[in-house]
Amino acid sequence: EAGVAQSPRYKIIEKRQSVAFWCNPISGHATLYWYQQILGQGPKLLIQFQNNGVVDDSQLPKDRFSAERLKGVDSTLKIQPAKLEDSAVYLCASSLQTGGFGYGYTFGSGTRLTVV
Amino acid sequence: AQKITQTQPGMFVQEKEAVTLDCTYDTSDPSYGLFWYKQPSSGEMIFLIYQGSYDQQNATEGRYSLNFQKARKSANLVISASQLGDSAMYFCAMRGFQGAQKLVFGQGTRLTINP
Repeated sequence: EAGVAQSPRYKIIEKRQSVAFWCNPISGHATLYWYQQILGQGPKLLIQFQNNGVVDDSQLPKDRFSAERLKGVDSTLKIQPAKLEDSAVYLCASSLQTGGFGYGYTFGSGTRLTVV
Repeated sequence: AQKITQTQPGMFVQEKEAVTLDCTYDTSDPSYGLFWYKQPSSGEMIFLIYQGSYDQQNATEGRYSLNFQKARKSANLVISASQLGDSAMYFCAMRGFQGAQKLVFGQGTRLTINP
């Protein structure tokens, strides 16, 4: 089966610019997650979707970050305007469902964002 | 709220030796799952092993085993017969089975295998 696809792989932008990341989860996976991983730290959950509804966005900086998952499949994460501290790897993951077996997470390769 | 603590920022071991990576956790959920992931320099998160809180036996997957001590709230990863390819970041994570059930990660341990 195809894995979780993310693009772009790398992105360099200047502060105050906007940027968007795209994620295509594994076919049939209802739950989609966006994580932010700052260098040297563990991933931090930004937002979790169940189909096209938001389950948890408590750690999403809503003044500059937004995310959507149209039709319950692909998802886009946007940052506008970007700050230097947004430099990180943005990981997308998907799973069959929120409940059930715990090991059903599959991660994409991530997008490495550098804000200069 | 859930919290994962990994107290070893870095570990260095000789090839073919066994290595234990420490992980302690805190949660108020009565049932939960514990995970270990490997992240090589290429960046992808690779699932290694899973332990459910009500599983009677410790999980094993090939050279990986999870030393689960529920009373101590610890879930250490043991890698037997380490290989050069095991050099990577290792993350412990947990997920409660109530509410949003989000996967929470620790800070990670960088493991380096020396030839």
